[in-house]
Amino acid sequence: DADVTQTPRNRITKTGKRIMLECSQTKGHDRMYWYRQDPGLGLRLIYYSFDVKDINKGEISDGYSVSRQAQAKFSLSLESAIPNQTALYFCATSDLTGRTEGSTDTQYFGPGTRLTVL
Amino acid sequence: AQSVSQHNHHVILSEAASLELGCNYSYGGTVNLFWYVQYPGQHLQLLLKYFSGDPLVKGIKGFEAEFIKSKFSFNLRKPSVQWSDTAEYFCAVKDTDKLIFGTGTRLQVFP
Repeated sequence: DADVTQTPRNRITKTGKRIMLECSQTKGHDRMYWYRQDPGLGLRLIYYSFDVKDINKGEISDGYSVSRQAQAKFSLSLESAIPNQTALYFCATSDLTGRTEGSTDTQYFGPGTRLTVL
Repeated sequence: AQSVSQHNHHVILSEAASLELGCNYSYGGTVNLFWYVQYPGQHLQLLLKYFSGDPLVKGIKGFEAEFIKSKFSFNLRKPSVQWSDTAEYFCAVKDTDKLIFGTGTRLQVFP
């Protein structure tokens, strides 16, 4: 969805490096999410944010941190990257208030960031 | 907490064959259910969703899903698949304020 963008799209880094993945959205949604996708494991939730002052851990938050700089921006950081964090990372947004018709509870995904940790 | 099971990990079909992908969730009550599709190299897109009302939900590209409460199921169907349906399909259920995704089913359609 062009309304949700992620940068970078691809990143190769080394063990121990700090990495930041960024997500921006123009949908005006309050809620933003970070997932990682691994083959055979589907999508697993890392962190989510209901608004700028609200941050919540997902099922696999260890080794990650997030920052909600504005309603439209939600960044994911790997403080010290390790090889098992190699994965495809997706940002998503949702509008649980239903202000946009038909959008209630639906999540809209960005294009993904492929991260490789060597 | 809710969980989602997708028992078909990899499905291979020829064009024009019928498709049914299984999805089961763990417990009842009011449920919101979704099917997302991920085409090769792309992000997830919503195929269809069930919130309430008619248990037979129609989505985009000829897909439909049936919510069967007694079976805790929300199977995805398409009467006649096309090569362009080759993708990975994810079932998801809303759990409190989050979506819980299944592990996905990879569908390959051969001409």
